[in-house]
Amino acid sequence: KQEVTQIPAALSVPEGENLVLNCSFTDSAIYNLQWFRQDPGKGLTSLLLIQSSQREQTSGRLNASLDKSSGRSTLYIAASQPGDSATYLCEGTSGSRLTFGEGTQLTVNP
Amino acid sequence: EADIYQTPRYLVIGTGKKITLECSQTMGHDKMYWYQQDPGMELHLIHYSYGVNSTEKGDLSSESTVSRIRTEHFPLTLESARPSHTSQYLCATQSTGPGETQYFGPGTRLLVL
Repeated sequence: KQEVTQIPAALSVPEGENLVLNCSFTDSAIYNLQWFRQDPGKGLTSLLLIQSSQREQTSGRLNASLDKSSGRSTLYIAASQPGDSATYLCEGTSGSRLTFGEGTQLTVNP
Repeated sequence: EADIYQTPRYLVIGTGKKITLECSQTMGHDKMYWYQQDPGMELHLIHYSYGVNSTEKGDLSSESTVSRIRTEHFPLTLESARPSHTSQYLCATQSTGPGETQYFGPGTRLLVL
């Protein structure tokens, strides 16, 4: 059974800082890994998806990496902005099952 | 852009009532999922489907049931609502092919009094 863990649970940074969110998973047979953003009271928005054959994906100020051998993924956010404040969820797909981490609650202070 | 819809968006109902949360999608995706999420907590998979007439229970024990008679619809039913069912319910689909991106609906917030 896949287990996904995210560290830290909460993070507060001043505007402009670069930051890294961590995700670890137990099943190395992961098919793909996806990072989502969730704003309070709302659904999930997909940010980046990394297939098992890939090592990283980039979109704007976001960069996500995947290391299957160590069971880890990171989400790097460059030059953080107050609008980046949200909960960030890591999700791993094994077979056809989606397993979510508990999320990292990010607050970017102006 | 993903086309996945959930109704109602908000529901307040009394204990013992039967309710059905609707989820529909226009993308033709075979895989669909229902998640339960309490405020500030992680998502828990409660049901999933790989296609028509295919339904499975997820990791979180749930008193709800689902059906998948048509590809487009994946309704979730609570036969007798209880206060412990108060939560947010998120429906998702998953594409096939490269990436298998997931798409989420806006969610249904349920309050059982």
